[in-house]
Amino acid sequence: QITLRESGPTLVKPTQTLTLTCTLSGFPVSSSGVGVGWIRQPPGKALEWLALIYWDDDERYSPSLKSRLTITKDTSKNRVVLTMTNMDPVDTATYFCARSQDVSGYFLPYFDSWGQGTLVTVSS
Amino acid sequence: QSALTQPASVSGSRGQSITISCIGSSSDVGVHKYVSWYQQHPGKAPKLMIYEVTNRPSGVSNRFSGSNYGNTASLTISGLLPEDEADYYCSSYTSTNTWVFGGGTKLTVL
Repeated sequence: QITLRESGPTLVKPTQTLTLTCTLSGFPVSSSGVGVGWIRQPPGKALEWLALIYWDDDERYSPSLKSRLTITKDTSKNRVVLTMTNMDPVDTATYFCARSQDVSGYFLPYFDSWGQGTLVTVSS
Repeated sequence: QSALTQPASVSGSRGQSITISCIGSSSDVGVHKYVSWYQQHPGKAPKLMIYEVTNRPSGVSNRFSGSNYGNTASLTISGLLPEDEADYYCSSYTSTNTWVFGGGTKLTVL
């Protein structure tokens, strides 16, 4: 069974750095064709794609947030970590991690499995 | 990159059909076949409903279908059921190898 679970602080102060972890189960992050991405959703608002890392360490970032984001993977612990610097109240959102999986070399840039999300509030 | 444009809300009666549009550009919807649709119920994670414009993942009802023309993709839900009431988001892979989501559409089943 494929599961993703987000973890991290529920409250951060403005200007602080947020570190979120996505722990994977049921598939290895190092498996060919696997990508793990982060998507956020402010309360009552739309989804916003943030970043994704592929099995081969290829990293992709939202152009508007690229300067603040870093995505890494830890193969030994089968998890993906997102850091976001200089947090602001507008960054208050539920943060989801999700899987993208190519099949038999066929490119499938879609998110077929999602974590339940973790709400991060930015407030002093 | 700008978010894809969706209507804020649509509604339909049980048993009817509705279509949700998703307007992009020649940098996303118009350049790739990599358009997808997600369903999200309140307090839940999104669920992939359509990928590669028209394909359904295993387990998704064939009442859900997708299409596109130029820079506009569409999701059609036929035979509306109460459980279809949810928010729907389109998404596209872009020409710069990133992803973009739409603003979301709230579907109400009357």
